[in-house]
This record gives sequence, C-alpha cells and structure tokens, in this order.
Amino acid sequence: AQKVTQAQTEISVVEKEDVTLDCVYETRDTTYYLFWYKQPPSGELVFLIRRNSFDEQNEISGRYSWNFQKSTSSFNFTITASQVVDSAVYFCALSDWEYGNKLVFGAGTILRVKS
Amino acid sequence: SAVISQKPSRDICQRGTSLTIQCQVDSQVTMMFWYRQQPGQSLTLIATANQGSEATYESGFVIDKFPISRPNLTFSTLTVSNMSPEDSSIYLCSVKGDTEAFFGQGTRLTVV
Repeated sequence: AQKVTQAQTEISVVEKEDVTLDCVYETRDTTYYLFWYKQPPSGELVFLIRRNSFDEQNEISGRYSWNFQKSTSSFNFTITASQVVDSAVYFCALSDWEYGNKLVFGAGTILRVKS
Repeated sequence: SAVISQKPSRDICQRGTSLTIQCQVDSQVTMMFWYRQQPGQSLTLIATANQGSEATYESGFVIDKFPISRPNLTFSTLTVSNMSPEDSSIYLCSVKGDTEAFFGQGTRLTVV
C-alpha cells in the first residue's frame, strides 16, 4: 500500500531563514510520481512540482528546491530565504500515475513564517 | 491545464439534510476524483467517478452516504446525505492532467 509521511506537523521560522519540509514515502510500485502542493489560508491547492520515479535529479525553481532520494524514499522540499507569503500548509503526495490511480497525501506541514 | 468550478463554495446545513456539490470541468476528462478534507486534516479520497459507470469508493466511504453522478465527461456531482456535524469538511473535486492533478476551489460545508 502507498503511504506518505510528513513528520513535521508545524514549523515556525523567521523571514529570510531557509526551511526544509520532509517527506518520506512508501510504495511497492517501480513507477510512481511524487508531488508537492501548497494550500494557503484561502484553501485552494496550488501545484508546486511533480517528479517521476525515474528522475532523481534535484530541481530548483526560484527560492524552491526539491531533493529526491530513492535510496531513502524521501522527497524533501526546501524554501530558501522564506517570506511571509510562504505561510501555508504544504502537502506531499504520491501516485502510481500510469494506472490513473489516486493521489495519496501526507498529513501536511503547517509552515508559519514570521516577519 | 484544466479549470474546475465547484458549487457551492460554502454552505451551512442542518443535520439530517443532504447537500449536492457540483463540479464542472472546462475540458473532457475520463476520471474525476472527490476528496474530503476534514478540519486541520489532510485530503482523503472519497471515490473515483468514471463516465458511464458506477463510482468506485474508497474504504470507509459508501454510496448511500456519498452518492455520485457522472452524466458526461465534464460534469459530476457529489451528494452528502443525511448530514451530521462530523461531515463538516471541505469537499474537493479533482481531475488528472498530463503533469499534475487539478483541484477545484472546494466546498466548505458546515453542518449544524
């Protein structure tokens, strides 16, 4: 069965600090996809990234970066120089996409960035 | 990309009543998904709705409580039946895209 663990329930940082959100997943599939979504206080889900299981390259997008390590089944997300607008709930999710299956979400990490 | 419109955006309902949530997509899609997000919790899949067939429900969710219709490739409804305060949640519909799953804005349901 698929499972996603986000052990950090809540993180508080001061603006401009770097912060890493952890995500550990479990799956028996060899082909799968990992996602990060942001849910700001307004409630909508904002897509951040998708990574497939065959691509272990790390990715950087502006202040955001992702570290995918199959050896430890982790897909961690780092925000560099955090800003107040980064305050949100961040969800990591897993899917065996080729079979059109569901997204399994982690419990989410609440990030609070203080000015 | 896909644009999903959900109605209503929020509602306050009396216990024992039912609410039907509508989900409209701006393109034809094979599969639509309905999720529930209880207060302070993560998203949990309720069911997968395919056009022309019965919805497939996840463990813990039953058709009598959450009947789903999928009359065509752009529209679906989820009904929350015989509501209780425990049904107070955000309900979201979702569709699969090429690179991501798209979500509606959600329906915030409060049962009093």
